[in-house]
Amino acid sequence: ETGVTQTPRHLVMGMTNKKSLKCEQHLGHNAMYWYKQSAKKPLELMFVYNFKEQTENNSVPSRFSPECPNSSHLFLHLHTLQPEDSALYLCASSLDRGRTDTQYFGPGTRLTVL
Amino acid sequence: QKEVEQDPGPLSVPEGAIVSLNCTYSNSAFQYFMWYRQYSRKGPELLMYTYSSGNKEDGRFTAQVDKSSKYISLFIRDSQPSDSATYLCAMSASGGSNYKLTFGKGTLLTVNP
Repeated sequence: ETGVTQTPRHLVMGMTNKKSLKCEQHLGHNAMYWYKQSAKKPLELMFVYNFKEQTENNSVPSRFSPECPNSSHLFLHLHTLQPEDSALYLCASSLDRGRTDTQYFGPGTRLTVL
Repeated sequence: QKEVEQDPGPLSVPEGAIVSLNCTYSNSAFQYFMWYRQYSRKGPELLMYTYSSGNKEDGRFTAQVDKSSKYISLFIRDSQPSDSATYLCAMSASGGSNYKLTFGKGTLLTVNP
């Protein structure tokens, strides 16, 4: 596989469920990102990891919990979500966090919270 | 005032038309300007990357940046139905904690055969 992959592509969950989103990059990058894309709104940066260390938490509610075990993998653990959390969650990676010219996105996970 | 303003459209043009997509911004610290293309049910893909003011051309695509007016444009010549997508502008400052991308809302473009 090449590029940035995300699983699952679609997820429906109840407000009391716990689920996880997975992202994997095959580009040899050192920075990874989680973004939220909602209808009619710009992409919102959620978290940034650089060389496995979290360097940015953009005031994201604690019901979203990221994990970066190594530079190639990124997870977003979800629990007790709200219906307004329904959105497309995009993972991205770049050479390092300052290299916005090398930022590549995955296809996203479409999340629906019932 | 929002940091980045982008007309969401939708914009519908006939095949072969010249398309002009635009964004304005308020943060004078922005120096890096990007255009992403996002097809339905896909993630954004980087289309054009420009540093500071000036023009950059890549095939049918031309990106223009006018920092004095805080205005960026993407032109698509000889538009094709395969260009139908949402186009997102993005920009960032440089150095330190200013690397983060600020996106516009995106413009939905449909090119009709």
